[in-house]
Amino acid sequence: AQTVTQSQPEMSVQEAETVTLSCTYDTSESNYYLFWYKQPPSRQMILVIRQEAYKQQNATENRFSVNFQKAAKSFSLKISDSQLGDTAMYFCAFIRDYGGATNKLIFGTGTLLAVQP
Amino acid sequence: NAGVTQTPKFRILKIGQSMTLQCTQDMNHNYMYWYRQDPGMGLKLIYYSVGAGITDKGEVPNGYNVSRSTTEDFPLRLELAAPSQTSVYFCASSYYTSGFSDTQYFGPGTRLTVL
Repeated sequence: AQTVTQSQPEMSVQEAETVTLSCTYDTSESNYYLFWYKQPPSRQMILVIRQEAYKQQNATENRFSVNFQKAAKSFSLKISDSQLGDTAMYFCAFIRDYGGATNKLIFGTGTLLAVQP
Repeated sequence: NAGVTQTPKFRILKIGQSMTLQCTQDMNHNYMYWYRQDPGMGLKLIYYSVGAGITDKGEVPNGYNVSRSTTEDFPLRLELAAPSQTSVYFCASSYYTSGFSDTQYFGPGTRLTVL
C-alpha cells in the first residue's frame, strides 16, 4: 500500500525567508504523480505544484519549487521569499498512474506553516 | 468556468437525520470524488466515480451513498447521521485517461456538524 509521510507537523518562517517542507512516500510503482496542496484558513484545497515521476527535472511554479528524489522517495517543497499569504496547512499527496479504484490521492497528515511578519 | 462547486457550505444535523451534499463540476471531468477531512488530518476517500452511472467505494464509505446520473453532478447522501460523521467534506474532480492522470481540483468544502 502507498503511504505518504510528513514529519513536520508545524513550521514557522520569517517573511521574505526561505522554508522547506519535507515529504516522503512509499510505493513500489514506477509511474505516479506527486502534488503539494495548500489549505489556508478558508479550507479551500489549492494546488501548489505537481510532479510527474517520469520527469527528472524538478517542477517549479514561481516562488515554489520541489526537490524530487525518486530513489530516496522524497518530495520536498521549497518556498522562497515567503509571504504572509503563504500561511496555511500544506499537504503532500501521491497518486498512482492507473484508473479505477487506484486513481485516488493518498494524503500526508499535513504541515502547518506560519509566516511571521 | 466555476470549477467545482459544493452546497451547502455549513450544516448542522441532529443524530438520525439525513441530508444530501451537492457537488457540480463544469470542467467535463470524467472522475469525481468525495473526501472527508477530520480535524488535524489529511483527506480520506469516501466514494468515487469514473463516469456517469459508475460509482465505487473508497476507504471510508460506511454511512454514505452516492449516485452519478450526469457527468457534472455527484451528490453524497448521508443516511441516519451520527456524531462520527462530523467533518469537512470535499468534492473533487479530475480527468483521467490511460497514461495520463490530471490534477484533482477541489470544491470549497462543506462543514458538517452532527449533534
